Amino acid sequence: DTAVSQTPKYLVTQMGNDKSIKCEQNLGHDTMYWYKQDSKKFLKIMFSYNNKELIINETVPNRFSPKSPDKAHLNLHINSLELGDSAVYFCASSHSARDTQYFGPGTRLTVL
Amino acid sequence: AQTVTQSQPEMSVQEAETVTLSCTYDTSENNYYLFWYKQPPSRQMILVIRQEAYKQQNATENRFSVNFQKAAKSFSLKISDSQLGDTAMYFCAFMKLNAGNMLTFGGGTRLMVKP
Repeated sequence: DTAVSQTPKYLVTQMGNDKSIKCEQNLGHDTMYWYKQDSKKFLKIMFSYNNKELIINETVPNRFSPKSPDKAHLNLHINSLELGDSAVYFCASSHSARDTQYFGPGTRLTVL
Repeated sequence: AQTVTQSQPEMSVQEAETVTLSCTYDTSENNYYLFWYKQPPSRQMILVIRQEAYKQQNATENRFSVNFQKAAKSFSLKISDSQLGDTAMYFCAFMKLNAGNMLTFGGGTRLMVKP
């Protein structure tokens, strides 16, 4: 069984569209994250949620909005997509403040 | 803010040999965790090894071990008996405690294991 899953794995869309990426973890973790990996492979935190509450928002444009319906899910909504949003987006989860983060398989977003 | 630097963009090693990947970081914190993650061509981020800063003993995990030098802020990864499956991007990461657990990543080192 997949511990941290993301859907879809690939997403190709036009500029200006709105899209969502879903993340689910079945590890019983209480903290979830979104990271962005750019074309140069650089990884950067976007958001961190603990028990459905936002605890980190790292200078991400307002067009990006995370939503956590419950502790096992953290979805990422992106409005008015831009070319620069093309990247691989990783969801991750951890059990507590001092625990290792486990990553999902990533979603490659391509904006045309 | 913390920064993590991996000074070797690419490295190669012959199968069965040993290779060491470098990582340095900059922080004013005393308590933190350090990680090495592996990203093979499949794109999956896989935890390789973890080190708590308060532990003096270097972490080991089978063929993987670290050389943690806290005063020098250095955290290198040694891979022994390299295997073809070790071919991947390797990322060093820093986690400040009690700060939302965010990971700060280095730029990565692309490792190729040659047969």
